Formats: sequence, structure tokens, C-alpha cells
Amino acid sequence: GAVVSQHPSWVICKSGTSVKIECRSLDFQATTMFWYRQFPKQSLMLMATSNEGSKATYEQGVEKDKFLINHASLTLSTLTVTSAHPEDSSFYICSARPWTSGGAYEQYFGPGTRLTVT
Amino acid sequence: QKEVEQDPGPLSVPEGAIVSLNCTYSNSAFQYFMWYRQYSRKGPELLMYTYSSGNKEDGRFTAQVDKSSKYISLFIRDSQPSDSATYLCAMSPGTASKLTFGTGTRLQVTL
Repeated sequence: GAVVSQHPSWVICKSGTSVKIECRSLDFQATTMFWYRQFPKQSLMLMATSNEGSKATYEQGVEKDKFLINHASLTLSTLTVTSAHPEDSSFYICSARPWTSGGAYEQYFGPGTRLTVT
Repeated sequence: QKEVEQDPGPLSVPEGAIVSLNCTYSNSAFQYFMWYRQYSRKGPELLMYTYSSGNKEDGRFTAQVDKSSKYISLFIRDSQPSDSATYLCAMSPGTASKLTFGTGTRLQVTL
């Protein structure tokens, strides 16, 4: 149980284009989903927290107009990187917290999406 | 100063060794402490979690939290090559709060 999927697993796009990444909780409903970014040999940096049906809360320094997050249902959240540039190349990971969650530890991670912007 | 400090390694040990992984933190509000394992190009997988101070054991893994020293540890007994991964500590002040991660320690267990 508690499986989170991400699609695509790897995407290459040209500078200036937009890319959408999907995050799905496959066997549970998630009221809260998180989006992280991870650079090589660095830790996960939280970008934003999204709750189903409401606007995402972005961390300081994250451009909300560049990283659009939509949490349209209890099992799906999307991250759209708009007008991508090479510096946006990174590993993007989502996680989901079940609505029945009893603790901070209960956050299940997706396998990640590697974005390369050329 | 980062809120959570973790030695990035790499840490190389022979198979069967006891591994000690550690994190220090500065935020005294942290109450929940987690350890995640992350294989290359994969998402993190929860290994263990602890609430407040104390020890917790699960198979070959033992997690320790010393809140007075703001220091947490993960011990792996009888390490296996399959334990080779990056180990991330994470912390949170509350049940609905966001997680703050360490940078991760890369572990390699050699035959």
C-alpha cells in the first residue's frame, strides 16, 4: 500500500517551453501533497505544499508564477514548470500525506522526475 | 547555519559492519525525527521514525534521538551491499508540519 507515482520519470525539453509533471497517490487519498526539488548530492528542498481544492503554499524564494501547482483531486497533483530554463534542470519529487495521517512521518514519496532543459 | 546538518560522506564499510549515521539540528521545536533511504534516481523511502527522545529498533535498524544534545543517529547492524544508498534524516515540529531534511549521507557497503 501507500504508493505514489510520478509521470514522466524523465523529460527533456527545450528552453522556453513548459513541462507538466503529474503526481498520483495510487491506493490512498491525499489531502496534502508536497513538491520537492533535489540537486545532485544535495538534499530535498521543499518547493510548495498543496492541499486539495485550495491554492498551493510556496516556500520562500520559489516563484509561484514559474512553478504552477494544481491539486485538483485527492489523488492527483501537477507541477508545471513554465518557460523552463537550463537552471530549472533538476530532480523533482512529490510526496503525499494520507487524509488519515497520524503523524509527520506519514508522507510517501514518488520516484521522482528528472527534468533536463536544453 | 543550516537547521539540519548531516555529513554527506561517502561512507564506505565492509559487509557485516555496524554503520552509524548521524544528524545534528538547531531547532529545538523539532519533535518528529525520520530516517529515509534513497537509492540513486529514486524517491526517498521511510525507514524509521521516532517521536521525541529515545530509541527505536526495527530489525537491523536502530534509531536514537537525544533532544538535549540535538543529535540523532541511525545504526545499521550486519550491513549488506543492498544497504548501499543515501540516507536522509528529516525532522518536523508537528504532525501537520513540513519536513526539514539533512543533505543525506551516501553509504557504500562493499563485499
